[in-house]
Order: sequence, then C-alpha cells, then structure tokens
Amino acid sequence: RKEVEQDPGPFNVPEGATVAFNCTYSNSASQSFFWYRQDCRKEPKLLMSVYSSGNEDGRFTAQLNRASQYISLLIRDSKLSDSATYLCVVNGRGKLIFGQGTTLQVKP
Amino acid sequence: GAVVSQHPSRVICKSGTSVKIECRSLDFQATTMFWYRQFPKKSLMLMATSNEGSKATYEQGVEKDKFLINHASLTLSTLTVTSAHPEDSSFYICSASQASGSGGNYEQYFGPGTRLTVT
Repeated sequence: RKEVEQDPGPFNVPEGATVAFNCTYSNSASQSFFWYRQDCRKEPKLLMSVYSSGNEDGRFTAQLNRASQYISLLIRDSKLSDSATYLCVVNGRGKLIFGQGTTLQVKP
Repeated sequence: GAVVSQHPSRVICKSGTSVKIECRSLDFQATTMFWYRQFPKKSLMLMATSNEGSKATYEQGVEKDKFLINHASLTLSTLTVTSAHPEDSSFYICSASQASGSGGNYEQYFGPGTRLTVT
C-alpha cells in the first residue's frame, strides 16, 4: 500500500465548476499535511497547509479527517488557470511523502 | 523571500559521464536540503536528505556512490550523478528548509528542477 494515495484522474471540468480531490495516508503518526500544486515540467509549489479544523483560502478549502486518515481539497468556481496536478503531501517519519498527484483540466 | 535556485535547468550528457547539479538558497540559510527525483507521471521520490557539514542520509534503494551529495555551506548543496546511464534520465528537484533534521515540520522551498537526459 502506498503511504499517500490519490486518484490520478484526470478530472476534466468546465470553468466555474466545483471539484473535490481526496487523499488517504497510511501513517497515523503523521503530523503535518499539505496540498501542493505542480504545473507541467515545473517544481511543486505549496498551495496550502491542511489543519485539523479545516481551512480556507479564497476558492480553496482543505479538510483533514485524522480518524479516517483522509485529506480533501475543494476548488470552487474553477478557473482555466487552475489546470495543474495537485499533490497531497504528508509529513511522515520526518520527511515529506508525496502522493502521485491528481490532474485537473479546466475547460472553457 | 525563500527562493531556491538550481543550476543547470536542463542538461544532456552522454552515458558514462558525470553531471553536477547545484542547489542554492538565495535569501535564507538552509540547514537542511533535500534531493528528489521525479519520473514522468510519477510522484516526487525523496533520494536523500543533507544537513550542512554532515554526510547525507540516503533513502532505501538510492546508491550513495552513484548520487554524491555535498552540502558544504548553508546556502549550497550539490548532487553529482556519476557514470550516468539513460535510466538516470529524470527531473531532479531540490528543496531547502530552515529546520534542522526534520523535513516535515517546516516548509520546504523547492528549486525549479533540473531535467537530465542521458543519451
């Protein structure tokens, strides 16, 4: 079993749609959780940290369920510029563990 | 702030040669630097963690004699791919953290990556 699992997609959605990505992690001792965005052939960039209470940053909302070891990212009112791969990242054993990423394509 | 640079951004080399990739933290002191490798459509895989002035810690399955890491100062780490083979062709990304040791509790700042092609 992978330490961090994501549905690779791709998710193809029209502009303005709401889309949700899910991620599960296997190490119950993990303490820190993040969503990164990676554009094609570029380095990953931190999108947002994920807190137990849930957090929101503009059109993006992240949720953490420690009991189910589950993390989610919700994107509202999708823009063409949101097209990218979204990486679920977990702190495990003192290092960052990356999921495979979920690819989002927002169509006009 | 928190900018990390990598050089070169792209490199093509012949099989059997060695390639050195530099990773620099431009506006902060990086006590810990990380080297990742990413194959197409795959996740980033941590290769090794290096702390300034000490030997790098390699992940299981990563050959330390093939991937030489040097972290000589708080702003520079280098990865040398020795005797490169076509299967070493990949996207190599470094990141830097101001935390000592643990890479997961403090934000990591990523370099733009180096695309290596071995012919």
